[in-house]
Amino acid sequence: QQQVKQSPQSLIVQKGGISIINCAYENTAFDYFPWYQQFPGKGPALLIAIRPDVSEKKEGRFTISFNKSAKQFSLHIMDSQPGDSATYFCAALFGNEKLTFGTGTRLTIIP
Amino acid sequence: DADVTQTPRNRITKTGKRIMLECSQTKGHDRMYWYRQDPGLGLRLIYYSFDVKDINKGEISDGYSVSRQAQAKFSLSLESAIPNQTALYFCATSDLHRPGGQETQYFGPGTRLLVL
Repeated sequence: QQQVKQSPQSLIVQKGGISIINCAYENTAFDYFPWYQQFPGKGPALLIAIRPDVSEKKEGRFTISFNKSAKQFSLHIMDSQPGDSATYFCAALFGNEKLTFGTGTRLTIIP
Repeated sequence: DADVTQTPRNRITKTGKRIMLECSQTKGHDRMYWYRQDPGLGLRLIYYSFDVKDINKGEISDGYSVSRQAQAKFSLSLESAIPNQTALYFCATSDLHRPGGQETQYFGPGTRLLVL
């Protein structure tokens, strides 16, 4: 049963543009929301994470926006660069359970 | 992440063969995971273990088995390989900091498996 829904499945953005990936969840017990980045041929790696007590977290060009009432969170990549081309996974965690991953978004940044 | 190693990195096998994929970690984590990734698809959890004596099925455990030999070692076996098990397999470890904490999963480099 999928508990974290991610969209879009793929995304093409021009260099310098803003990339936006969205995730939605049902379980209100989730209390930690990370994003993972995966380059071709590599394993995913933690990119940025947020807790539900804040609405936004920014690290460089990467920002997570969190809407607790809508049970949604999104990743924004500002000034997108070709090096940002990768697959991105959102995830959620509660209690002592394991991370639940979204289905992934393949992002391609074109010149 | 060099702290999580997987062997072999690539493997070609034939239908019906039994094979084992191995994962070792030096991070001292209790939690270990096996995922499968098919082209263009996301991560699907096969098995996970929260400590040496704990083994749990994931969403696609049929046709697979695991062994947690030690805190640092977690092996995945395909009892009788079939072509639709051709995929990229990832091992991961994690630390969980509770209460109110977070979990970060650290992935190995992956094993690319081809079943003919």
